[in-house]
Amino acid sequence: QVQLQQSGPGLVKPSQTLSLTCAISGDSVSSNSAAWNWIRQSPSRGLEWLGRTYYRSKWYDDYAVSVKSRIAIKADTSKNQFSLQLNSVTPEDTAMYYCARTHSGYDDYWGQGTLVTVSS
Amino acid sequence: QSVLTQPPSASGTPGQRVTISCSGSSSNIGRDTVNWYQQLPGTAPKLLIYSNNQRPSGVPDRFSGSKSGTSASLAISGLQSEDEADYYCATWDASLMRVFGGGTRLTVL
Repeated sequence: QVQLQQSGPGLVKPSQTLSLTCAISGDSVSSNSAAWNWIRQSPSRGLEWLGRTYYRSKWYDDYAVSVKSRIAIKADTSKNQFSLQLNSVTPEDTAMYYCARTHSGYDDYWGQGTLVTVSS
Repeated sequence: QSVLTQPPSASGTPGQRVTISCSGSSSNIGRDTVNWYQQLPGTAPKLLIYSNNQRPSGVPDRFSGSKSGTSASLAISGLQSEDEADYYCATWDASLMRVFGGGTRLTVL
């Protein structure tokens, strides 16, 4: 059974960097058949995919156009986890953030969610 | 504004059959499979239907999905009170982005 355990601060100041981590159990971040995503949800924007990282003989990442200039999703194979860094945050980045595994084109396992508020 | 269009709300009485639509375009639903998620209050979305019409293990056969052209539908038959939740459709866009519907809140009257 795959489990995704999220961690990170729930409060970030405007203009600073939002950092979250998703620890994986029951699968490998280096799996050749999975991708590892960050997705957020807010009342104003609904569910919004932010990006993913995956390994297919080498590492790849894809990002949503809306955040491409200020996002990084990175895998840490030594800890079997992946992380999200979102720079220069504003109150519009306030949302519930989820990590999720994609397998065969669908997101079958999700983290528990982390509510991140951007406020001074 | 979500890329995929869903009705904001739907409702039905216990035992009824309800359907939820999801409309897209040739660059998303028209070119890839559709997944559906159920989100109960205070929880993460849960995969309900994948590859247009497949149910993960443990999902009752009361839930079914279909796709035609650039639209997809989720049907729930024999509606039960525990089906009251938000439902989201999702697929991949030609720009390699995951796209979601705006969600439909299902109320069991």
